[in-house]
Amino acid sequence: EAGVTQSPTHLIKTRGQQATLRCSPISGHTSVYWYQQALGLGLQFLLWYDEGEERNRGNFPPRFSGRQFPNYSSELNVNALELEDSALYLCASSLVGSVDTEAFFGQGTRLTVV
Amino acid sequence: KNEVEQSPQNLTAQEGEFITINCSYSVGISALHWLQQHPGGGIVSLFMLSSGKKKHGRLIATINIQEKHSSLHITASHPRDSAVYICAVRWNTDKLIFGTGTRLQVFP
Repeated sequence: EAGVTQSPTHLIKTRGQQATLRCSPISGHTSVYWYQQALGLGLQFLLWYDEGEERNRGNFPPRFSGRQFPNYSSELNVNALELEDSALYLCASSLVGSVDTEAFFGQGTRLTVV
Repeated sequence: KNEVEQSPQNLTAQEGEFITINCSYSVGISALHWLQQHPGGGIVSLFMLSSGKKKHGRLIATINIQEKHSSLHITASHPRDSAVYICAVRWNTDKLIFGTGTRLQVFP
């Protein structure tokens, strides 16, 4: 069974541009989570989507947004990129948005803003 | 103060040694995850537990809900165990709160 897949694996953008990151969850998983891991910092929760709806978001500006498609895949969009947006962005999926459900992580997209 | 704290931050060991990584948290949780992150960033979920103890191969995870503490043990450590180990807790909303990780290096 395929795991959580993310694309692209690496992305280089310049300040002010927009970045789009994609995530395909494990088949059957309806919840998708996005996390940011900036250099020297721990993982920070960004967004949670379940059944096509945004259920929760972390302390990030509105420049960070996303959506979930009917097939449960998800996009993370970062507008007006800033240098400090350079980070590893990880996606995870789980069966349902339940507090006791194990999450499975993708390999991440490394975004570099120059 | 971070809501999830791990110790030690860095750990080196000789192959074969028994390793313990600790995680303490300050919020009420419903589940705790131990994750393994390899160079390059990919994350593997090792354990999810809400009570007691779980074992998978050479890995053992324990949690004490009353003391708000969890430990990850690696028996007979091997260089391929070298990675960053991250503790994450799940509480009232569905987001995970992560510790800053423990960087483990196991030398042959």
